Amino acid sequence: QQQVKQSPQSLIVQKGGISIINCAYENTAFDYFPWYQQFPGKGPALLIAIRPDVSEKKEGRFTISFNKSAKQFSLHIMDSQPGDSATYFCAASKAASGSRLTFGEGTQLTVNP
Amino acid sequence: GAVVSQHPSWVICKSGTSVKIECRSLDFQATTMFWYRQFPKQSLMLMATSNEGSKATYEQGVEKDKFLINHASLTLSTLTVTSAHPEDSSFYICSARNRGPNYGYTFGSGTRLTVV
Repeated sequence: QQQVKQSPQSLIVQKGGISIINCAYENTAFDYFPWYQQFPGKGPALLIAIRPDVSEKKEGRFTISFNKSAKQFSLHIMDSQPGDSATYFCAASKAASGSRLTFGEGTQLTVNP
Repeated sequence: GAVVSQHPSWVICKSGTSVKIECRSLDFQATTMFWYRQFPKQSLMLMATSNEGSKATYEQGVEKDKFLINHASLTLSTLTVTSAHPEDSSFYICSARNRGPNYGYTFGSGTRLTVV
């Protein structure tokens, strides 16, 4: 019940295209769903996060879509740029103090010029 | 925004020596700090969870005597790799969770440890 499944494992898009990464979770106690961007040799950086009281959140070119009944959430990157090439991780956590983040397996995104 | 400072960013040490990695939350008090290990092209693997003033909780398979974690204050946690061996070479990352209902997790920049 602690798993978060992420797909695809790798993704190649053309500059200007839309990148879509999907995640599914099992534990209905999860109440925080962040996406992290990680460049080689760096720690993950928070990109955008959503809580289950809303179905969509948009920040610039990045949008999270959240489907509570299906227990799925996705990251959409509009107008993808070569600088977006990185590894993206979805994650989920519970509100209880000290709860850990449960990570997806990661998606290696490559945006071709 | 929340900032977590992790030092050093890279370290090379000889087999048998110990290495300490520091993780500081700069502008918030972290109720809990986490230590991860990451292998190339893999997700983050949680090693241990630490709460200020209490003993760390280690994940199954992680040697608590090899990876010593100290969480002395609400802003500082340290990971000491004792008697390091080449197989301990890896990328280590800390994370801190802030307090409150709008909690979140902030990650350090990571430490590349190479044991020679």
